[in-house]
Amino acid sequence: NAGVTQTPKFRILKIGQSMTLQCTQDMNHNYMYWYRQDPGMGLKLIYYSVGAGITDKGEVPNGYNVSRSTTEDFPLRLELAAPSQTSVYFCASSRKTSGGTYSNEQYFGPGTRLTVT
Amino acid sequence: GQNIDQPTEMTATEGAIVQINCTYQTSGFNGLFWYQQHAGEAPTFLSYNVLDGLEEKGRFSSFLSRSKGYSYLLLKELQMKDSASYLCAVRDRGSQGNLIFGKGTKLSVKP
Repeated sequence: NAGVTQTPKFRILKIGQSMTLQCTQDMNHNYMYWYRQDPGMGLKLIYYSVGAGITDKGEVPNGYNVSRSTTEDFPLRLELAAPSQTSVYFCASSRKTSGGTYSNEQYFGPGTRLTVT
Repeated sequence: GQNIDQPTEMTATEGAIVQINCTYQTSGFNGLFWYQQHAGEAPTFLSYNVLDGLEEKGRFSSFLSRSKGYSYLLLKELQMKDSASYLCAVRDRGSQGNLIFGKGTKLSVKP
């Protein structure tokens, strides 16, 4: 199992450019997530998906879009990149989020380090 | 509102014991997680508590008191490789049970 994979690892964008961050998981997880992590700050949820065809906004969705056409893939689209989107982006997946004795912890990809100048 | 507090930085000595505290105020509670994150890497799962008490996993233990909105992560027999950030996260009962993360505690282990 490769787990959660993300591409690219690094990217530099000019202001106003667009790009797609790719995320794939091979654990057959229904739930997938996109976070951003800024220096000294916690992980902030951008978007999440509870299954193919279903997506919803997290805490900081502005400037981003997602789609979930398959269980495995959950790409994140940046339209009109802005310097405020300079961050490290993590994709994660989990079986489900219902609690109780099962942790159903999230598994994270290696991250994409994005700089917008 | 949703708030998770943990110390920004801590320093400890190799071989010692360190306790990292986390307090939370959230609208719902459905479990608390600790993740380890080495510099430049992804977070990795360490522990999960949903009931009050202590969960032990080798050198790492995690404690939860739901009535006090408090948890701690205890690291014993510290090793240099334990130098990392430790993230406390609460799973909300609503919003599909998404995780709310604290800002993390950067632990430096010195010889």
